[in-house]
Amino acid sequence: GAGVSQTPSNKVTEKGKYVELRCDPISGHTALYWYRQSLGQGPEFLIYFQGTGAADDSGLPNDRFFAVRPEGSVSTLKIQRTERGDSAMYLCASSTQGGYNEQFFGPGTRLTVL
Amino acid sequence: AQKITQTQPGMFVQEKEAVTLDCTYDTSDPSYGLFWYKQPSSGEMIFLIYQGSYDQQNATEGRYSLNFQKARKSANLVISASQLGDSAMYFCAMRERREAGTALIFGKGTTLSVSS
Repeated sequence: GAGVSQTPSNKVTEKGKYVELRCDPISGHTALYWYRQSLGQGPEFLIYFQGTGAADDSGLPNDRFFAVRPEGSVSTLKIQRTERGDSAMYLCASSTQGGYNEQFFGPGTRLTVL
Repeated sequence: AQKITQTQPGMFVQEKEAVTLDCTYDTSDPSYGLFWYKQPSSGEMIFLIYQGSYDQQNATEGRYSLNFQKARKSANLVISASQLGDSAMYFCAMRERREAGTALIFGKGTTLSVSS
C-alpha cells in the first residue's frame, strides 16, 4: 500500500511569510507525528495526533507553529511569520494506535526561509 | 539531559565487512522501546529494527541485528556483510512515554560510508 506522503517536497519562502506543510499518513493509522530535523541533527518531536485531536503539542517551539488534523487523516503544519531559524526538514510519521509500534516516516518537506 | 547518545559522527567500512554503530540511552521508565532508522541522502527515514525493553533475545532483521545490553543501557546496531547501498545516516531512537501517547527521541546520528 501507499506510504506516508508529504507535500511539497521543497518549499522556499521569505522571512515573515506564512507556510503550510501537508502530510497524508498511511491509511488506517490513527497516530500522526510531526518532527523537525535541522542539518546534522536527529529529528525532534513537534506534535502528536491521536485521531483528530492534538494529544501532545509540547514540542512546538512557539505559538507561530500550529497543526491540524480535522478529519483524523491528513494533517497540515502551519507556520506563521516564518524566520530563518525555521529552515529545516519537516518530517511526518504515522503509526497504528498510540505509536507503540514503529513509526513510518514520509519523505519530508525541506523548508528554506530566506 | 541527553537521552540517546551516538558517539560516532562517522564510520567507514569496506564492502562485505561487518560494522557496529554505537548507541547508549538513558531512561528511568522500565518499559521502553529502541529503534534504528536509516536515512539516505534522499531524506526519508527507513525503519530497520526494533528492540523492546522486555525482549529476552536480541532483535534481528536480515543483515541487521541489535546488540542489546540492558545493564549497560546500550543498543548497538550491527550490520553484517556491508553493501554500498548501506551508505547513509543511521539514527538510534527511543520510544518515550508521554502524557498522552508516545514520541521518539533521536540521537544525533552516525554517518556510515561503505567503500568498494
